[in-house]
Amino acid sequence: KAGVTQTPRYLIKTRGQQVTLSCSPISGHRSVSWYQQTPGQGLQFLFEYFSETQRNKGNFPGRFSGRQFSNSRSEMNVSTLELGDSALYLCASSQTPEQASSYNSPLHFGNGTRLTVT
Amino acid sequence: AQSVSQHNHHVILSEAASLELGCNYSYGGTVNLFWYVQYPGQHLQLLLKYFSGDPLVKGIKGFEAEFIKSKFSFNLRKPSVQWSDTAEYFCAAYSGAGSYQLTFGKGTKLSVIP
Repeated sequence: KAGVTQTPRYLIKTRGQQVTLSCSPISGHRSVSWYQQTPGQGLQFLFEYFSETQRNKGNFPGRFSGRQFSNSRSEMNVSTLELGDSALYLCASSQTPEQASSYNSPLHFGNGTRLTVT
Repeated sequence: AQSVSQHNHHVILSEAASLELGCNYSYGGTVNLFWYVQYPGQHLQLLLKYFSGDPLVKGIKGFEAEFIKSKFSFNLRKPSVQWSDTAEYFCAAYSGAGSYQLTFGKGTKLSVIP
């Protein structure tokens, strides 16, 4: 089974621009989560999608948004980029059922997109 | 909200030394706990997980972790580390029904000296 695929691997943008990152989950996985990883803050949760619906959102400004398509592929968008947005953006998929009373599905991570804002 | 704390930022060990990495979580209800590892240049991989049952769980590559509910802890252990264990280790937790967010600790970097 192919793993989680993120594109592109590297991006360099300037302040004020916007960027779109893409994620293809493992086949059959309907949940996609996004994380921002930085050396100082570790992994911080951005949002989680299931069947095109955002179920959870982390504490990030509205400049960070995402969506999920009917084939479970997901994109995240960051508008009006700031220097502090430079980070590794990780996508992860899981097999969580639609109505989980106890959410216990491990996440499978992609290699990430390294975003540098100059 | 759930929080996860890892006590050590950077641990340096010689090969064959024993390893214990601390992890504490804050949620008082039912939690599902994980340890992930990130080898240099690689993606995050699941080491082990705890959902219920035996509080001592075994994972890949000889790692194990013990869930102690009274201490809100889920420490990772390995009796004898190898140079190839050099990596960053992350503890993570889900908390409660309806939580679709996996909360991570800030990670512990392990350097093993040959």
